Amino acid sequence: NAGVTQTPKFQVLKTGQSMTLQCAQDMNHEYMSWYRQDPGMGLRLIHYSVGAGITDQGEVPNGYNVSRSTTEDFPLRLLSAAPSQTSVYFCASRGRGWKQGTQYFGPGTRLTVL
Amino acid sequence: AQTVTQSQPEMSVQEAETVTLSCTYDTSESDYYLFWYKQPPSRQMILVIRQEAYKQQNATENRFSVNFQKAAKSFSLKISDSQLGDAAMYFCAYRSFGSGNTGKLIFGQGTTLQVKP
Repeated sequence: NAGVTQTPKFQVLKTGQSMTLQCAQDMNHEYMSWYRQDPGMGLRLIHYSVGAGITDQGEVPNGYNVSRSTTEDFPLRLLSAAPSQTSVYFCASRGRGWKQGTQYFGPGTRLTVL
Repeated sequence: AQTVTQSQPEMSVQEAETVTLSCTYDTSESDYYLFWYKQPPSRQMILVIRQEAYKQQNATENRFSVNFQKAAKSFSLKISDSQLGDAAMYFCAYRSFGSGNTGKLIFGQGTTLQVKP
């Protein structure tokens, strides 16, 4: 299993540009999430999904969109990039049920918005 | 709302020695998970250890163990026989447990651990 994969690893955008961060998992996990990590802070939840076709907002959703058309993929879209979105983005997934409590993280995407 | 606090921004330990990282949390729930994640310079988030709140026994994974004090809402990580590869940022995290929960993790601010040779 590849686990959770993210692309790209690095990205530089100009203010106002749009882009999609890709996330995929091959563990048949129902739950997938996007977090951002800023200096001196822990990870904060942007959006999450509890299954294909179901998404909801997390703690810091503004400026981001998500969709979940398949169990495997959970892309994060930046509609109009802003410097405040410069951050490291992590995708995570976990299985259903209390025995599947552990979230597995992708390697992260470092995004810089100029 | 639940919160997680790591009051030690930085810690250092001599190689082969033992170090304890502190974490406290606030919740009104009785069932939950607690985690320690390690983030080395590669930025990968690596699960170190996990504890289910209903278990009284402290979790152990090789050189890593926790001291879980449910009444005090404390969840410290002890690293024994520290190695240079243990140098990283460590995050304490909380997750609710129960029907309908989304699996959202609530993170502390992190503790940077330096290991001195």
